[in-house]
Amino acid sequence: EAQVTQNPRYLITVTGKKLTVTCSQNMNHEYMSWYRQDPGLGLRQIYYSMNVEVTDKGDVPEGYKVSRKEKRNFPLILESPSPNQTSLYFCASSLLAGVYEQYFGPGTRLTVT
Amino acid sequence: LAKTTQPISMDSYEGQEVNITCSHNNIATNDYITWYQQFPSQGPRFIIQGYKTKVTNEVASLFIPADRKSSTLSLPRVSLSDTAVYYCLVGDMYSSASKIIFGSGTRLSIRP
Repeated sequence: EAQVTQNPRYLITVTGKKLTVTCSQNMNHEYMSWYRQDPGLGLRQIYYSMNVEVTDKGDVPEGYKVSRKEKRNFPLILESPSPNQTSLYFCASSLLAGVYEQYFGPGTRLTVT
Repeated sequence: LAKTTQPISMDSYEGQEVNITCSHNNIATNDYITWYQQFPSQGPRFIIQGYKTKVTNEVASLFIPADRKSSTLSLPRVSLSDTAVYYCLVGDMYSSASKIIFGSGTRLSIRP
């Protein structure tokens, strides 16, 4: 089954404790992206990757890191999480670019206390 | 990237046709128009995409006038399960650098 998976689905952590949210797709897609969603603000893009070893900033990249060492994986790293990073995070992938149909993961609800 | 403007919310009733309009006055020549649907706590789901005139699939139709400065998503005979947020996006299909802006979307509420 074609899908995008994220782990963990729920995470409660404390300020400053490094964490990684994993994202994996099995569709051989070139493009992958991370979004955060906050009430009243819609979806905002954090980082995206056009291919292996190629990443670029979205609209809200501050406080986040990403890497794309393999085509299928695109982890989101929070080196020193802060409470303002409490949010619902979505990973997505598409065939060639973000304009193409994007397939979204189930989401990761992160709480930073 | 072309900015899009949508109504914040809309209400309708089961069985009605719903039309959601998106304004994108600065749309560029290579830009395509894409619509997504999102249910609470779920990732958005692709509905339809088009460049000009009319596109139809099994769930919706997309109407794009000749000047392409707006588009209308049409949902025929809606049901309660169509209650969701709908996002309109505009982006260059041929650009390798693909930042995506979703905007705040239109919250559609369907009543019995």
